[in-house]
Amino acid sequence: AQSVTQLGSHVSVSEGALVLLRCNYSSSVPPYLFWYVQYPNQGLQLLLKYTSAATLVKGINGFEAEFKKSETSFHLTKPSAHMSDAAEYFCAVSEGNAGNMLTFGGGTRLMVKP
Amino acid sequence: KAGVTQTPRYLIKTRGQQVTLSCSPISGHRSVSWYQQTPGQGLQFLFEYFSETQRNKGNFPGRFSGRQFSNSRSEMNVSTLELGDSALYLCASSLEPSSIEQFFGPGTRLTVL
Repeated sequence: AQSVTQLGSHVSVSEGALVLLRCNYSSSVPPYLFWYVQYPNQGLQLLLKYTSAATLVKGINGFEAEFKKSETSFHLTKPSAHMSDAAEYFCAVSEGNAGNMLTFGGGTRLMVKP
Repeated sequence: KAGVTQTPRYLIKTRGQQVTLSCSPISGHRSVSWYQQTPGQGLQFLFEYFSETQRNKGNFPGRFSGRQFSNSRSEMNVSTLELGDSALYLCASSLEPSSIEQFFGPGTRLTVL
């Protein structure tokens, strides 16, 4: 069975500082990995996805994530936080043979201080 | 192209009632998945439909059911509502099950009193 762990339910950074949101996964087969962002009272928006091509994945809004198989990690980073980045972020995994069934981590709420 | 639409956006029901939520996928998308989001349990997969057939089902009781129509629109039904069913129900669509990328709707906020 697949699972996702996001370390830190809340992360606070200053505007302009590095954003690092941690995600570790377990999967019995090579996984597809995703980061989604959710703003208040909205659905989920895909930030980026890993599908076994390049291990460093670039997404929207300046975010990127690196797939590290040896560490079973897929941490999300952004060099410089902006106030508009304040939201909840979810890491998710799917196994290719399981269709679109996503398993999500518990989420990390990112707060950006002025 | 219009995104995934879900109706209604907000719903209030009482315990014991049943509820039906609707999801219209992006035009051309034939796969629809449903997720439940609660503060305690987080985001959990409910079920996935493709070509009017349920392909996968999450670990939810039989009170939760769904279906998909020939135009790919999907509904989910919850019978005999319990307080714990209060949640944001999210629908996601993709071209087909192997498409990998899914697009989420804004969700239906269900409150059970």
